[in-house]
Amino acid sequence: DGGITQSPKYLFRKEGQNVTLSCEQNLNHDAMYWYRQDPGQGLRLIYYSQIVNDFQKGDIAEGYSVSREKKESFPLTVTSAQKNPTAFYLCASSDGQGGNQPQHFGDGTRLSIL
Amino acid sequence: AQSVTQLDSQVPVFEEAPVELRCNYSSSVSVYLFWYVQYPNQGLQLLLKYLSGSTLVESINGFEAEFNKSQTSFHLRKPSVHISDTAEYFCAVSAPGAAGNKLTFGGGTRVLVKP
Repeated sequence: DGGITQSPKYLFRKEGQNVTLSCEQNLNHDAMYWYRQDPGQGLRLIYYSQIVNDFQKGDIAEGYSVSREKKESFPLTVTSAQKNPTAFYLCASSDGQGGNQPQHFGDGTRLSIL
Repeated sequence: AQSVTQLDSQVPVFEEAPVELRCNYSSSVSVYLFWYVQYPNQGLQLLLKYLSGSTLVESINGFEAEFNKSQTSFHLRKPSVHISDTAEYFCAVSAPGAAGNKLTFGGGTRVLVKP
């Protein structure tokens, strides 16, 4: 079945440590996204990528970095500069442009501070 | 830029009763509208969408939403809820031609269906 796979499901970060969240899709979608979800705040866009080797900052990119070396993969690194990283992180993908394509989501990674 | 307001953060409802989740948006251009559902510890799933045409859209599991341009609203309704409808619901908008097909989400409405 086609879909988006996020790993790990749970992740713990120590002070001063960078951690990387994995996102893989086999839907052959061009665009991929990373969101952060906090209770009562909905989803906020961290980064998005429309094509391989290109990505743009979203609304809350500070303290995060991404890469898009392959169409199917869009890993997110939470750096030590992100002072409040505890959240639920969701990866999504969509096909085409124009705003009318729904996004497909993975099952998320929950990140906590040790 | 667009913004989305979901007026109720939580909606408790008894099983087999109707429910309405309110969504209002703000945009200087025409929009596409979406409702997503999130079950605990899972990602979001598309429930229904409005792109154009009939202002009333329906999902396969009994939900419906009506686009009201004059009131800039896209409220979600179900005439009779089940325990399995307990979840969080998100309203989202995008603009035609939006760079990267970006969505703007509301803050979510948590629905708790009681027996």
